[in-house]
Amino acid sequence: TQLLEQSPQFLSIQEGENLTVYCNSSSVFSSLQWYRQEPGEGPVLLVTVVTGGEVKKLKRLTFQFGDARKDSSLHITAAQPGDTGLYLCAGTTSGSARQLTFGSGTQLTVLP
Amino acid sequence: NAGVMQNPRHLVRRRGQEARLRCSPMKGHSHVYWYRQLPEEGLKFMVYLQKENIIDESGMPKERFSAEFPKEGPSILRIQQVVRGDSAAYFCASSPVSLKNTEAFFGQGTRLTVV
Repeated sequence: TQLLEQSPQFLSIQEGENLTVYCNSSSVFSSLQWYRQEPGEGPVLLVTVVTGGEVKKLKRLTFQFGDARKDSSLHITAAQPGDTGLYLCAGTTSGSARQLTFGSGTQLTVLP
Repeated sequence: NAGVMQNPRHLVRRRGQEARLRCSPMKGHSHVYWYRQLPEEGLKFMVYLQKENIIDESGMPKERFSAEFPKEGPSILRIQQVVRGDSAAYFCASSPVSLKNTEAFFGQGTRLTVV
């Protein structure tokens, strides 16, 4: 059973469109992080959210942590081909602060 | 300020050989984590180490796999008698303190291919 469920698994959109990626769990997370990974590279940290209801913005990316700290979303406005990549959410729970638990990822392709 | 350094980037081994993967954490980081990523999948936790100590190895296979983080030098993930199913990307991450209070930063990975 996957602790963190990401949806959709694959997403292909045209340049300029908006999109939202979801990360859901039945567990409460102490903190949740979003990473972006390109082929052949390691995950690169985009943001960390720690407070329920928290919203963080990074240029065209908006990250939200659910009030109950069980879910998160990533919204991209006016997507560009450079946004193409594998988006991963990962979190730590109070019971397993020793490791990051990753979702299975959302593979985003933005077509020019 | 160099990031997490992993080497080699690519490693090819024949079945039955040993694979040694190295990870140098970011400067000032004393916590190291190893993850494995199979094609089309997310990252799976393997082991968490601090200098000279294994803190959590709950994700590591019981046989053939071992990890160390000596007082001096990089962390090593060793896979003995490799099999085709070991082919994957292995990522190392580091943090300055435990993950309860900070973030982890990843290296570029070692892609192991067993032929």
